[in-house]
Amino acid sequence: DIVMTQSPDSLAVSLGERATINCKSSQSVLYTSNNKNYLAWYQQKPGQPPKLLIYWASTREIGVPDRFSGSGSGTDFTLTISSLQAEDVAVYYCQQYYSDPLTFGGGTKVEIK
Amino acid sequence: QVQLVQSGSELKKPGASVKVSCKASGYTFTTSAINWVRQAPGQGLEWLGWINTNTGNPTYAQGFTGRFVFSLDTSVTTAYLEISSLKADDTAVYYCARQYDNWHDDGFDFWGQGTMVTVSS
Repeated sequence: DIVMTQSPDSLAVSLGERATINCKSSQSVLYTSNNKNYLAWYQQKPGQPPKLLIYWASTREIGVPDRFSGSGSGTDFTLTISSLQAEDVAVYYCQQYYSDPLTFGGGTKVEIK
Repeated sequence: QVQLVQSGSELKKPGASVKVSCKASGYTFTTSAINWVRQAPGQGLEWLGWINTNTGNPTYAQGFTGRFVFSLDTSVTTAYLEISSLKADDTAVYYCARQYDNWHDDGFDFWGQGTMVTVSS
């Protein structure tokens, strides 16, 4: 199984400042035949289901604000919120869909400082 | 618009069974995979497996074979998760989530609202 490890577990960022979340996979999720990283990021607010933000490691889902960006390749990935807004308070999860069983990171809780 | 609407909360005794439904609308049901994910109270996301909505073939994650059954009724565009011999640690919110196609190689673009299953004597 591919283990997804997120860091930090939580972070507090001032409004308008940058938030950076890291995700490391125990093996590469880059499929070399199409050069795609099988990695997604989700946002989950309390009492709601997760919402897809980013797929293929860096492609923003339709309707997701451009302050959210994803980067990385292979085993190391980053979700960046360039200017934190109050509505971004949530738990963020990475997920690999490279191979079964699909696995999620443990989550990173983002709060306002 | 794409929607996945799940059945309501359930309170069950240990040893009982529960069947959770996930009604899909707004797209062609048999072209998109349905995955099942659970979230225990205060915990992270755990993938249970998926079902190919074209073939009806289910795939279960390790640890979710035997007591967990995925099924479909394509006539009403609904996917089901049935859990038998319920245990206290099955207490969780259960989500259905769509992948764009049945190749099972996408993120989960639409989610149901979740069904809380509580197992308690």
